[in-house]
This record gives sequence, structure tokens and C-alpha cells, in this order.
Amino acid sequence: NAGVTQTPKFRVLKTGQSMTLLCAQDMNHEYMYWYRQDPGMGLRLIHYSVGEGTTAKGEVPDGYNVSRLKKQNFLLGLESAAPSQTSVYFCASTVNWGGNYEQYFGPGTRLTVT
Amino acid sequence: GDSVTQMEGPVTLSEEAFLTINCTYTATGYPSLFWYVQYPGEGLQLLLKATKADDKGSNKGFEATYRKETTSFHLEKGSVQVSDSAVYFCALSDYNNDMRFGAGTRLTVKP
Repeated sequence: NAGVTQTPKFRVLKTGQSMTLLCAQDMNHEYMYWYRQDPGMGLRLIHYSVGEGTTAKGEVPDGYNVSRLKKQNFLLGLESAAPSQTSVYFCASTVNWGGNYEQYFGPGTRLTVT
Repeated sequence: GDSVTQMEGPVTLSEEAFLTINCTYTATGYPSLFWYVQYPGEGLQLLLKATKADDKGSNKGFEATYRKETTSFHLEKGSVQVSDSAVYFCALSDYNNDMRFGAGTRLTVKP
């Protein structure tokens, strides 16, 4: 049981380049999330999904797109990277609706945009 | 909207000292409250949680009590260890699983 995994772990992009971050979970969780973590700002929600084939915007969605074609995978795309997207990105998942359930986090992807 | 405010730190303590990290929240409903811990280079992991007023969450010597009257969920530990050095996040989650995090508090424990 690997939990939540993320690839890649590190990436350096030039402004305007594109990339996709992959998140996978093997816990059969319905809900999946993408956050970014910036110094002094905690975690901010980018996009989330409440099930296969669904996605929704979070607090800071601009400049990102997501897809959830399979229940176990949640992809985060940057179409045209900007230096403001330099951050650490975390994927998380949770089992069910209701608010009482903890989120399980991946190890993070550190992205630098030059 | 819902939000969490926690003391920013950094906090530096000597081993075996008492720890308190303050956390207060604003919410329209009845959220669940969480403390997560992040060790260097890792993702967040759940430390403890409480799902209703007056519940006490506890784990690894850490405790926090859900205080509805003061809208608080302060984290405490009676005797910290060097291995407790990490960043601690207070968070709340409403019935929609919309989780809001505080800014995080970095704790350093010196031998």
C-alpha cells in the first residue's frame, strides 16, 4: 500500500514551458486535491475532484488545469509556466464526504520556474 | 469564508520544555478540526483531530481540545523532544471536505 505518490519530485521549467504533475493513490479514495505551499501562506487549494470524471476549482485555480480520467489518478497541468508558479505542490486524497475524514498527502513536487 | 489563524513562530524550545501552539478558527457551521505535522522534505501527515465541541484529540503525547466557546484548538505537549522539530499546521474541514489550513508554525527543539 503506497498511499499517495507524486511524480516528479523536482522540476525546473523555463517561463512559458508546460508540464504535467501526476498524482496516484491506491486507497480507492473518492476525493482528490491539488495544493500549493508557499512560505508563510500554508496550503492553498488549486483544484479538486469529488470522483472520477469530475473536477472543480479551488482557491487559486488560475494558470492550472486538471483531469481525473481514472479514479486513482489526478493530473495537474501547467500550460504556460510563470515564475509565480514556483512552489511546492502537494496532492492529497480522502475517503468520503462529510468533513470528518483526514486527508492523506503525497510527498510533494518542488517546481521552480525561471 | 471559513479560516484558520495560528501563531506564526518560529518557536524554539529546549528539550523537555512545554509546548503550546495557538490556533483559532472562523466557521459558519460545525467543522472538524485537525493538526497536521510536516517533517523536512515530506508531505503533511495527520497528528490528531477532533470532530465536535469538547472533543480532545491526542497522539504521540500531543493534545488539543475543540473549544467552541473560544473557537480554538490549541496544540500542547508536556515535554518536547528533538524529534518533534517540524512544521505544524492547524486546519478545519467543513461538511464539503473543504479543508482550510493555517500558515504553519515551525518548531525547533534543541538538545
